[in-house]
Amino acid sequence: EPEVTQTPSHQVTQMGQEVILRCVPISNHLYFYWYRQILGQKVEFLVSFYNNEISEKSEIFDDQFSVERPDGSNFTLKIRSTKLEDSAMYFCASSPRMAVSYNEQFFGPGTRLTVL
Amino acid sequence: KQEVTQIPAALSVPEGENLVLNCSFTDSAIYNLQWFRQDPGKGLTSLLLIQSSQREQTSGRLNASLDKSSGRSTLYIAASQPGDSATYLCAVRLYAGNKLVFGAGTILRVKS
Repeated sequence: EPEVTQTPSHQVTQMGQEVILRCVPISNHLYFYWYRQILGQKVEFLVSFYNNEISEKSEIFDDQFSVERPDGSNFTLKIRSTKLEDSAMYFCASSPRMAVSYNEQFFGPGTRLTVL
Repeated sequence: KQEVTQIPAALSVPEGENLVLNCSFTDSAIYNLQWFRQDPGKGLTSLLLIQSSQREQTSGRLNASLDKSSGRSTLYIAASQPGDSATYLCAVRLYAGNKLVFGAGTILRVKS
């Protein structure tokens, strides 16, 4: 069964460093998302991406964050200058289409980001 | 602003019991509602998706209902097993946009 994959599973970085989290969405999906979950808190939406542009973003997704689909299979989240509060589990998700009520989002296993 | 609440926060039951997890949301203008399972330190596994026009969905021992007008959904798990132990998350997708808004989850422990 097709699934969303994410690499790395765990990333440790120093405060102020740039990190890139990678995702391979399900191959025939058109919509891509990033969510994050700070330890002990709710899963929060960061950004959605369609047709090579951001379709929606949350207040969390400030200028330090960017997303890219560099080729036909990968979807990346970049954090330019990491802060301690960026430590969280980051989930990538994809869905086949958006504007229908049965649109289901499928999530990857997550990347645990630890900022020291 | 859409708020999603899940009750109870935690639940411990003996194996074999039928149980109900509750989810409520403040804005009834939703496209759909998804129930997920999350194992410790792991990703989210989609269990059921209910469209806004549907009243319930079933998959195996799981049954989810939706009452959009009252802003409620329930996840019913029949004949619970120790392997059902996990955190169960409810998430709604609004008409405006395509993001999911999550509840905090119910931590379920099924004792053998």
